[in-house]
Amino acid sequence: EVQLLESGGGLVQPGGSLRLSCAASGFTFRSSAMNWVRQAPGKGLEWVSLISESGGSTYYADSVKGRFTMSRDNSKNTLYLQMNSLRADDTAIYYCAKETRLNWGRYFDYWGQGTLVTVSS
Amino acid sequence: DIQVTQSPSSLSASVGDRVTITCRASRSLNNYLNWYQQKPGKAPRLLIYVASTLQSGVPSRFSGSGSETDFTLTISSLQPEDFATYYCQQTYSTPYTFGQGTKLEIK
Repeated sequence: EVQLLESGGGLVQPGGSLRLSCAASGFTFRSSAMNWVRQAPGKGLEWVSLISESGGSTYYADSVKGRFTMSRDNSKNTLYLQMNSLRADDTAIYYCAKETRLNWGRYFDYWGQGTLVTVSS
Repeated sequence: DIQVTQSPSSLSASVGDRVTITCRASRSLNNYLNWYQQKPGKAPRLLIYVASTLQSGVPSRFSGSGSETDFTLTISSLQPEDFATYYCQQTYSTPYTFGQGTKLEIK
């Protein structure tokens, strides 16, 4: 059974930092691209970042570029999101999501339960 | 960046109704278009991928169609458990983008 378990969320002051983790199990982690998606309270889904299977390539939404860094440790089956210079509008539930890639498409077939990040003084 | 516009933003319907939600992209997606369902307090759930392929375990009353820039999600006969929020998503290129969501409510 595929499981994705996020952790590391919490309350942080504006300008502060936080590191989220996502522990993966039930699939070959090193063979899967992974994503972070967030959802502000009462709002829609916002894609945040993508990392390739090896970790050699990363992509970010403009809203977090230069402040967030996504990484992975394939030996530990764990995904990370280092968030710096946090702002109030980063307040959201953060989900990690497994990406399946086909020659003719890509989709997020498994999601974690999410971890809440609140940026407030 | 590819913009994805979903409509309507909300929809009121009754059990047994046929419902259609649309998604329009700012450029051709080559069918890199997915649909998700989200219930309150839960993570999104994949329903349809590559425009029209039903994810394993998803009831056959859900279907997807479309190509290029215009796509639809259809629920053929609404069931009580289908009242939720639905999102389309393009994965043709980063930044991957989601539609604004359609909240499906009971009439």
